[in-house]
Amino acid sequence: GAVVSQHPSRVICKSGTSVKIECRSLDFQATTMFWYRQFPKKSLMLMATSNEGSKATYEQGVEKDKFLINHASLTLSTLTVTSAHPEDSSFYICSAADASSGNTIYFGEGSWLTVV
Amino acid sequence: QKEVEQDPGPLSVPEGAIVSLNCTYSNSAFQYFMWYRQYSRKGPELLMYTYSSGNKEDGRFTAQVDKSSKYISLFIRDSQPSDSATYLCAMTLNSGNTPLVFGKGTRLSVIA
Repeated sequence: GAVVSQHPSRVICKSGTSVKIECRSLDFQATTMFWYRQFPKKSLMLMATSNEGSKATYEQGVEKDKFLINHASLTLSTLTVTSAHPEDSSFYICSAADASSGNTIYFGEGSWLTVV
Repeated sequence: QKEVEQDPGPLSVPEGAIVSLNCTYSNSAFQYFMWYRQYSRKGPELLMYTYSSGNKEDGRFTAQVDKSSKYISLFIRDSQPSDSATYLCAMTLNSGNTPLVFGKGTRLSVIA
């Protein structure tokens, strides 16, 4: 199946700093990518829909100034957590739709963020 | 009523058993249905992807969609300890550009 890669897989940062997470579709182009957040033993919570070349669409309750999303190319979307706080510590997962296979949605491996 | 209902379990079965996982949903406009498997601390892995009603089989896995009942199922035959994971059902209105709506996931343990 198609591969979606996330980097870094784990990151620890200090409170107040910013951290960027990358999501790449390795063997297909994705005009749309999605960013999720997942707490332990909970389901995925959609944060935003990332559209190539345009602004992301954020879900209600998600601060767009805190979670900056950039989808600059058809294979790369980035999520930047700005001024991170310990409560931002979570598992962040991206997904991308592969138009060449009926828009099947594949997920990245996820990125563990710990804010200390 | 939540859009997608899924029993969180946990579900524990002996090795070799047939496992049945189910989800119900309320939005009759959903057209695409998926099952993902998620191991602890990993991203979800696509298992099955079906469009509209019907059955789809892939190895030990069978997905069923009954749109008239708004009910989808995933069957796992000859379950193995390596099948122990959380299984998430997901569905969407249109493929690709519309976010998936997930069930809460069912935690499955297959005991050797």
